Amino acid sequence: QSALTQPASVSGSPGQSITISCTGTSSDVGGYNYVSWYQQHPGKAPKLMIYEVSRRPSGLSFRFSGSKSGNTASLTIAGLQAEDEADYYCSSYRSSSTPLLFGGGTKLTVL
Amino acid sequence: QVQLQQWGAGLLKPSETLSLTCSVYGGSFSGYSWTWIRQPPGKGLEWIGEISHRGSPNYNPSLKSRVTISKDMSKNQFSLKLSSVTAADTALYYCARGGSPAYWFDSWGQGTLVTVSS
Repeated sequence: QSALTQPASVSGSPGQSITISCTGTSSDVGGYNYVSWYQQHPGKAPKLMIYEVSRRPSGLSFRFSGSKSGNTASLTIAGLQAEDEADYYCSSYRSSSTPLLFGGGTKLTVL
Repeated sequence: QVQLQQWGAGLLKPSETLSLTCSVYGGSFSGYSWTWIRQPPGKGLEWIGEISHRGSPNYNPSLKSRVTISKDMSKNQFSLKLSSVTAADTALYYCARGGSPAYWFDSWGQGTLVTVSS
């Protein structure tokens, strides 16, 4: 099955805002509000940042926000900090025999 | 705060069976989907499958013929077996707690690197 489409890399300077996109189809991203975002630092397990498109887990910084328009979901990080440098993955529920699909991942570089 | 701790063999020969177990500490086994996810070196994440506290296992069709996920609720553990492994199965394997039906994963094991090599 094809992965959700994410840009391979994005970058930004400290204090700036960046947005990472995640494009799917009407059978996954566009059809359900079940998009999640994960942050993964090198050598670490992924960490849930956003779930159900725009909900933040308890205790997570308000600098992280999620949204969706049509078949594309987005993760926005405001006020970039050095520790935000990591890989970011989106995922979505889908109506198929494989109920979950991940994006290919986006490497965020803080300049 | 729930914690997941996983263990299993890290080096296998082709055709052998991968076997990993994940223990759940500090949380209920009920109401969640207990999931295995893998990540080949330098690559993205792949959903392997899941088992809920009361449901049947659900597997990625691409692995379904080789995968078995089971649970032992008396020990708060769930396990993964993947038979007939090849080099393509070399990956970091994670166990995770998932929400249903939204498929978010809020707690992860530390990961186990499984290498398949002759």
